[in-house]
Amino acid sequence: QVQVVESGGGVVQPGRSLRLSCTGSGFTFNNFGIHWVRQAPGKGLEWVAVISYDRVEHYGDFVKGRVSISRDTSENTAYLQMDSLKSEDTAMYYCLAEGEDRPTGRRVEYWGQGTLVAVSS
Amino acid sequence: EIVLTQSPATLSLSPGERATLSCRASQSVGQFLVWYQQRPGQAPRLLMYDASKRTTGIPARFSGSGSGTDFTLTISGLESEDFAVYYCQQRSSWPLTFGGGTKVEIK
Repeated sequence: QVQVVESGGGVVQPGRSLRLSCTGSGFTFNNFGIHWVRQAPGKGLEWVAVISYDRVEHYGDFVKGRVSISRDTSENTAYLQMDSLKSEDTAMYYCLAEGEDRPTGRRVEYWGQGTLVAVSS
Repeated sequence: EIVLTQSPATLSLSPGERATLSCRASQSVGQFLVWYQQRPGQAPRLLMYDASKRTTGIPARFSGSGSGTDFTLTISGLESEDFAVYYCQQRSSWPLTFGGGTKVEIK
């Protein structure tokens, strides 16, 4: 059974740091690119970052050096380190694994249910 | 960055009707466009990639078309579970960007 589970969210004060985790199971996690996408309350989707299966990283423009993505192949887990948090970072943070369904050759994505980050004093 | 504009913002239709959603890019994205569906309280799910290819498990009533800067998602014969918000995303260049979404609501 395919699962993607995010963790690490919570309430944090402005200026502090937080590390989110994303763990996958039921598929070959290390063959998949891992994205983070966020959604502020009542708003649309905003792409945050990606790390490819071979560890190439890309980030959204708004990140401005405050965010770092990484992965641990031995733990089937990816991480999103967020520093200098601001109130506008308050959002649901989703992790998704992007890859190929080998039998059909189609692209597939596996999404988690999200972890909520609230930045507030 | 590439800006995606979705229209209309809201589409009010009855079950069984055809829905046509538009996504326009500020510059060419080739065929590197995906469509997502998000139901209330749920994570988004991938519907289409490379503009017109359905991912696994997506019914044939969903179809995508377009290339360059103009794209369309068509739902032929709306079913109750199709009333949701739909987003397009370009995968042509970094950073990836989303459109603002189209809400398909029951008329």
